[in-house]
Amino acid sequence: DGGITQSPKYLFRKEGQNVTLSCEQNLNHDAMYWYRQDPGQGLRLIYYSQIVNDFQKGDIAEGYSVSREKKESFPLTVTSAQKNPTAFYLCASSNFHDSNYGYTFGSGTRLTVV
Amino acid sequence: AQSVTQLGSHVSVSEGALVLLRCNYSSSVPPYLFWYVQYPNQGLQLLLKYTTGATLVKGINGFEAEFKKSETSFHLTKPSAHMSDAAEYFCAVSRQGGKLIFGQGTELSVKP
Repeated sequence: DGGITQSPKYLFRKEGQNVTLSCEQNLNHDAMYWYRQDPGQGLRLIYYSQIVNDFQKGDIAEGYSVSREKKESFPLTVTSAQKNPTAFYLCASSNFHDSNYGYTFGSGTRLTVV
Repeated sequence: AQSVTQLGSHVSVSEGALVLLRCNYSSSVPPYLFWYVQYPNQGLQLLLKYTTGATLVKGINGFEAEFKKSETSFHLTKPSAHMSDAAEYFCAVSRQGGKLIFGQGTELSVKP
């Protein structure tokens, strides 16, 4: 079955560490997205990529980095520059050329700073 | 520019009662509109979508929504709430390039 896999489901980070969240899709989607979700704040776009080897900043990109070396993969690195990284992170993908399709979401990664 | 407003961050209904979650959008072009549901610690799942054609859209789990252009609304309804409907619901509108703009979400509680 096609879908998006996020791993790990839970992740703990020490102060000053970089951590990488994995997102893999086998839907043959061109576009992939990373969102951050905090209680009462909805979904905020971190980065998105519409094609391999290209990505754009979203609304809250500071302290995060991404890469898109393969169509199937869009990992997100939370760097030590992100001062408040504790949140629920969601990855999504879509068929960029078909706007009425909507997004397919992964099951999320909950990151906690310890 | 496109935007989405969900009225009410938290809605509480009794089991068996009507569910009504409100969504208004602003868009300079005919929009694509979506409702997603999120259960605790899970990703978002598509409930239904409006693209073109019939303005009353039926989705999964007995939900439906009506696109009303004159009111710029896309409210989500279900005739009879079930305990399993307790979740957070997001309305979204598409914008240029296929990116979705999400509302702030409405948490639905269902009382026995």
